[in-house]
Amino acid sequence: NAGVTQTPKFQVLKTGQSMTLQCAQDMNHEYMSWYRQDPGMGLRLIHYSVGAGITDQGEVPNGYNVSRSTTEDFPLRLLSAAPSQTSVYFCASRQKGTASAARYGYTFGSGTRLTVV
Amino acid sequence: AQTVTQSQPEMSVQEAETVTLSCTYDTSESNYYLFWYKQPPSRQMILVIRQEAYKQQNATENRFSVNFQKAAKSFSLKISDSQLGDTAMYFCAFMRYSGGGADGLTFGKGTHLIIQP
Repeated sequence: NAGVTQTPKFQVLKTGQSMTLQCAQDMNHEYMSWYRQDPGMGLRLIHYSVGAGITDQGEVPNGYNVSRSTTEDFPLRLLSAAPSQTSVYFCASRQKGTASAARYGYTFGSGTRLTVV
Repeated sequence: AQTVTQSQPEMSVQEAETVTLSCTYDTSESNYYLFWYKQPPSRQMILVIRQEAYKQQNATENRFSVNFQKAAKSFSLKISDSQLGDTAMYFCAFMRYSGGGADGLTFGKGTHLIIQP
């Protein structure tokens, strides 16, 4: 089925380890973004991309890196995991243009639950 | 920057009743979009309804409708004939009209809606 695929669904890391959360979409969406969800905090934007080769920071970018070499993929890298990065991470994508955003909104992946011990 | 406030952390109603979830936002933007997302226990983010700020007519989607008051910066969600399957977290979200530049959603902290049988 078409959509946004996130892997893995669950991950436990030790403090200081690095890892990459994968996000892929097959809808040819230009725009992609990463969010973290913490209890009582809603979802907060980490990084976003408006096209291949173009990324920028969101509200909570510290400790995370991103790159966008293809339209389909937008991986999120944790260089040195910390317990404060324990969270549920969501990737989302949408078509380019605000008219399409209004009509279809964002499509979200099913999330990755990350625990850093 | 914009902020989104959901003042009701939790609500509980009986099945078949009508319930209204509140959302207020603060922004200096004149062009933007507002969304309500539903997150059931499965963790999936599901778009419920969207509203373009330039449209005066309130959006409706079957049992879901909004009351959009632009001057008051208010965007409430009304669920009619509530069903057990409506039990979920509901998030209000803001997206500014970017013209292709910045992107991403700003979320409220969410309202946990419980539908009682």
